[in-house]
Amino acid sequence: GESVGLHLPTLSVQEGDNSIINCAYSNSASDYFIWYKQESGKGPQFIIDIRSNMDKRQGQRVTVLLNKTVKHLSLQIAATQPGDSAVYFCAENKAGNQFYFGTGTSLTVIP
Amino acid sequence: DTEVTQTPKHLVMGMTNKKSLKCEQHMGHRAMYWYKQKAKKPPELMFVYSYEKLSINESVPSRFSPECPNSSLLNLHLHALQPEDSALYLCASSKPYSDEQYFGPGTRLTVT
Repeated sequence: GESVGLHLPTLSVQEGDNSIINCAYSNSASDYFIWYKQESGKGPQFIIDIRSNMDKRQGQRVTVLLNKTVKHLSLQIAATQPGDSAVYFCAENKAGNQFYFGTGTSLTVIP
Repeated sequence: DTEVTQTPKHLVMGMTNKKSLKCEQHMGHRAMYWYKQKAKKPPELMFVYSYEKLSINESVPSRFSPECPNSSLLNLHLHALQPEDSALYLCASSKPYSDEQYFGPGTRLTVT
């Protein structure tokens, strides 16, 4: 299927700093995007989503930005905490119920 | 209840065995999914059921056979698997069409 890729496979940040995780998607027809957090030994956990008619959405300590012009998605985590250490995936909804995941970024928070 | 449950948590099977993975949700979701996830890789979509009907099969080999007996249950029947099928099998559910997916914890499958 279409690829959803991430620019950086690993990211290390100091506790309290902000984190930015990026994702590039290739299907301009995709209309819905989700960010997931996956901790070791667990299933992916929904963080935040955004539809293609928006360019920004905020949650608690997280913000997703969507740039449709360059087909780029980013997840910003404010005041990163040790509990934020995990692998983060973006997922793209091409049509109906077809979701495709990006390669993932492993975030490590340094105390 | 926002939980998707999966059983068993771990499964070891031989290449001649037949086994089944089970998934259950009681959120009233009418879309259910099977994904396969290898170590350090993203989940890969295998099957999608929408209103208990198979709507997407991502060219998965026939040794994997999904079944959706009712709106709360999803099974994945396994037969004559290969060692390369060893992976984490994830189930998810959502409202139909472009909405938040809830994932279960997965079944860790090892084929010997």
